[in-house]
Amino acid sequence: DAKTTQPPSMDCAEGRAANLPCNHSTISGNEYVYWYRQIHSQGPQYIIHGLKNNETNEMASLIITEDRKSSTLILPHATLRDTAVYYCIVRETSGSRLTFGEGTQLTVNP
Amino acid sequence: GAGVSQTPSNKVTEKGKYVELRCDPISGHTALYWYRQSLGQGPEFLIYFQGTGAADDSGLPNDRFFAVRPEGSVSTLKIQRTERGDSAVYLCASSQDGRSNQPQHFGDGTRLSIL
Repeated sequence: DAKTTQPPSMDCAEGRAANLPCNHSTISGNEYVYWYRQIHSQGPQYIIHGLKNNETNEMASLIITEDRKSSTLILPHATLRDTAVYYCIVRETSGSRLTFGEGTQLTVNP
Repeated sequence: GAGVSQTPSNKVTEKGKYVELRCDPISGHTALYWYRQSLGQGPEFLIYFQGTGAADDSGLPNDRFFAVRPEGSVSTLKIQRTERGDSAVYLCASSQDGRSNQPQHFGDGTRLSIL
């Protein structure tokens, strides 16, 4: 699976949009981009995934660049409960494992 | 509906003992995964079951670790002759079908401490 690169930490003001970037320049055509987050003492929580089109659900939006070499997870109105480590993962359709990197520690400030 | 359930939530035992960790996946999910997470790091893959069979066990660190899923639902991760380095949070995840792009859903893990 392709490697991803994320900033180690980000801050965001409560009520503002949080935009979390991810680089995956070696992504191949059959690999999806997945986003998970992990709040302290809990298991990772699935957020969203996509192949090449932008995706939106009740939690977030995923914007994937046309060349698919990077993506951005958008939390439109961040709350204090969104403070967590956010992981961007690239995975083949037929792959088994999720390969987690270091992730981005997002801190939402009041 | 119910999510992935893992028991116990915490387990403390002495070095050299045998432990079993249980995972109840989401009902109807055919794929089940075990991961291990050490403090300050992301989860690391251990093993993947498709139905009753282990489709990929390449993440198991050594032969002290073994997992089963005899009826294609509940899975047990077994660790023999535990060592202090085995201390970690053991996470279980399930998905509808491991061969598709369906996401994996995680339990909250078992925190294992080896004294």
